[in-house]
Amino acid sequence: GENVEQHPSTLSVQEGDSAVIKCTYSDSASNYFPWYKQELGKGPQLIIDIRSNVGEKKDQRIAVTLNKTAKHFSLHITETQPEDSAVYFCAPTGYSTLTFGKGTMLLVSP
Amino acid sequence: SAVISQKPSRDICQRGTSLTIQCQVDSQVTMMFWYRQQPGQSLTLIATANQGSEATYESGFVIDKFPISRPNLTFSTLTVSNMSPEDSSIYLCSVAASGNNEQFFGPGTRLTVL
Repeated sequence: GENVEQHPSTLSVQEGDSAVIKCTYSDSASNYFPWYKQELGKGPQLIIDIRSNVGEKKDQRIAVTLNKTAKHFSLHITETQPEDSAVYFCAPTGYSTLTFGKGTMLLVSP
Repeated sequence: SAVISQKPSRDICQRGTSLTIQCQVDSQVTMMFWYRQQPGQSLTLIATANQGSEATYESGFVIDKFPISRPNLTFSTLTVSNMSPEDSSIYLCSVAASGNNEQFFGPGTRLTVL
């Protein structure tokens, strides 16, 4: 099965700074790489994803980069805002089921 | 993306009892899944709910403990049977379209077992 590691487990930044979260995976068959944001008391929200034929994808302040050779992908958030504070999960997969990382708690201080 | 609702949103139950959680989607979807999220932890897949046939369970989860129904393409239920305090978790349903890995999650059901 897929082994997923996510780093760091906690990340504290000042408002306006950038944040980067990294996810490494083990299954070379993985071809879909999503990132989810979970706010307190809510279900995970899909915020950005990338497929294996693309190296980078951007959506306003967030971006995902993929290195298939090294088997890792990263979430980049620029100009962080307090409302970005949440737990972020990666969930790489090559099949229909997702394997979630342990999560990164991002704290953005005003 | 689909709008997904879950009932109840939270419940407090006594050990030994059972609770059925409902998941309703506003459009027909091919795939429906049930996850468990223990306090402060990540999400673990319990099973894939198959329309018209038995659910497909992940290692460590069994039908007797977590029976699942999926009578149509917009609705599924998960029952947590003979509950113990260790079953205290958030239970989440998710949906995906056929051939598309994108999964969208419901708001979750927060279960506390005393």
